[in-house]
Amino acid sequence: EIAMTQSPVTLSVSPGESATLSCRASQAISNKLAWYQQKPGQAPRLLIYGASTRATGVPARFSGSGSETEFTLTISSLQSDDFAVYFCQQYNHWPPWTFGQGTKVEIK
Amino acid sequence: VQVVQSGGGLVQPGGSLRLSCAGTGFTFSDYAMSWVRQAPGRGLEWISFISSRGTTYYADSVKGRFIVSRDNVKNSVFLQMNNLRVEDTATYFCARSYSNSWLILDNWGQGTLVPVSS
Repeated sequence: EIAMTQSPVTLSVSPGESATLSCRASQAISNKLAWYQQKPGQAPRLLIYGASTRATGVPARFSGSGSETEFTLTISSLQSDDFAVYFCQQYNHWPPWTFGQGTKVEIK
Repeated sequence: VQVVQSGGGLVQPGGSLRLSCAGTGFTFSDYAMSWVRQAPGRGLEWISFISSRGTTYYADSVKGRFIVSRDNVKNSVFLQMNNLRVEDTATYFCARSYSNSWLILDNWGQGTLVPVSS
């Protein structure tokens, strides 16, 4: 089973600043990584797949990068709507498909 | 595209429950579907998958107790949960997978809370 580790657990950012979230896989997963955003009381929303491809309707301020074991989600110029929890998920080695524990992006 | 869940509710330990999930706005039979759960205040846990052709996979935590099925005529997927435990308490999400091979969950249901308690 592939373990996904996200850091930091919580990220405090001021609106307008950028945020960098990290996700590490316990084994190489090529580019088979997705990022999801979840707001309180809502279902997750797909942001990025293939490590760097934005899903339909996702603003360009969200960008993903990385390969194999190290991945990054960058949110440039944070808006109020972006404060949420972000999860990474690998889909290269399955089953099981595995998620990271999440990074909460909060207002500083 | 919409994924709409139904079912759920309080159940006692050892009891059973069936969750349903209907897909609209897309050719349901072409897509794999998956169930993901989230315990209160916790992260996401994948628990089951059913391919467009009916191949199924389960997380070890639910294997032998949960059964996923689909009805492509009714455009629905189901999760039969048996022998429920307190630790199964969670919000259960149904989600469409972008492909049969790669679990990219591009459309999610609204979630259903399943408390397991006596």
